[in-house]
Amino acid sequence: SQQGEEDPQALSIQEGENATMNCSYKTSINNLQWYRQNSGRGLVHLILIRSNEREKHSGRLRVTLDTSKKSSSLLITASRAADTASYFCATGSYGGSQGNLIFGKGTKLSVKP
Amino acid sequence: NAGVTQTPKFRVLKTGQSMTLLCAQDMNHEYMYWYRQDPGMGLRLIHYSVGEGTTAKGEVPDGYNVSRLKKQNFLLGLESAAPSQTSVYFCASSVPGLAGYNEQFFGPGTRLTVL
Repeated sequence: SQQGEEDPQALSIQEGENATMNCSYKTSINNLQWYRQNSGRGLVHLILIRSNEREKHSGRLRVTLDTSKKSSSLLITASRAADTASYFCATGSYGGSQGNLIFGKGTKLSVKP
Repeated sequence: NAGVTQTPKFRVLKTGQSMTLLCAQDMNHEYMYWYRQDPGMGLRLIHYSVGEGTTAKGEVPDGYNVSRLKKQNFLLGLESAAPSQTSVYFCASSVPGLAGYNEQFFGPGTRLTVL
């Protein structure tokens, strides 16, 4: 069962613009993670935010978490063509089996040069 | 370090055939996972293991079996392949942690087609 739902499903922007992707989830979580997947490749971990954190930064990435709304957003600033990829949110919760994440369906980001 | 590797990269099977996918990691991770990824479906957990000799079912375990005889290897078996098992399979590993509290490291994937 899918926990996270990313929005939008697809996003196309110009290089240099900011890209914002959203993730909504249904049940209480312990943490939320974002992953990137380049075409034909495995997923790569980007950032983890704990349920007691509201915002986290890593380079050009900014993640926010609003547990009252059960939602998170990923902002990529000053996007580059190399940011073209699919982005997935994944949630971890104590209600699930140990160590397991539940992944959303992803947002496909296209950054045009 | 190679990280997480998967063998083979591509495979075509006929309905009813069997095969084994091999995942290997050199990071000394306790936890290992097998996922399948279908278009528009994200990743779904098939089976996972929290240590050598232990395995458990995930969200979509039917039609698959797994074994973790060595800490560094996690095998996924299809005993009698069906067209519905056409998918891209990803293996991942992580350090131990409750509630998915640690990042997972993914392999490059195996693209399987069942005719």
